[in-house]
Amino acid sequence: GIQVEQSPPDLILQEGANSTLRCNFSDSVNNLQWFHQNPWGQLINLFYIPSGTKQNGRLSATTVATERYSLLYISSSQTTDSGVYFCAVETSSSNTGKLIFGQGTTLQVKP
Amino acid sequence: EAGVAQSPRYKIIEKRQSVAFWCNPISGHATLYWYQQILGQGPKLLIQFQNNGVVDDSQLPKDRFSAERLKGVDSTLKIQPAKLEDSAVYLCASSLDSQGYGYTFGSGTRLTVV
Repeated sequence: GIQVEQSPPDLILQEGANSTLRCNFSDSVNNLQWFHQNPWGQLINLFYIPSGTKQNGRLSATTVATERYSLLYISSSQTTDSGVYFCAVETSSSNTGKLIFGQGTTLQVKP
Repeated sequence: EAGVAQSPRYKIIEKRQSVAFWCNPISGHATLYWYQQILGQGPKLLIQFQNNGVVDDSQLPKDRFSAERLKGVDSTLKIQPAKLEDSAVYLCASSLDSQGYGYTFGSGTRLTVV
């Protein structure tokens, strides 16, 4: 099956710093989403981005489907950005909404 | 709009006991998913419903897990008998359609099997 690899596995930032999280996937996809899991366990959908670039406030994401990777940018990080960031994909052969999750990047933002 | 509702929030049971989780998706969302998230890992899909029909249950351990969505709205996931390795967070999600548009997760049920 498809492999989803996220890097780095852990990241510690000082408040105000910028960061880039990466997601590599091993097969073509028709659906890619980024999620943030807060320290209380709630998964929040950040972006639906199978290709192209989107921005939402301090967050932006870019997916280059032909090269099988996606990037999540966090600018001017805040302590509330702490948590685990997951990339999740659906293979092009699936078309059912079934998402395969990566292992996540754990982000800690220090005040 | 109201989010995806799940209950209970926490559950502790002994191995070999049974347990059930409940999920009520966002109104109008046709697709409902149950995921299992083991500590330190990403969620893994157990079963997916489209209305009241099963779309994918390939990773559901059918000898002990069962799920239903009888009226195409709320759903229950049951484990019987539970094993120690079933300790995890069970997440319910719903989406508007089978393409995954509007994917929204509930807060999850944290199960501890002792």
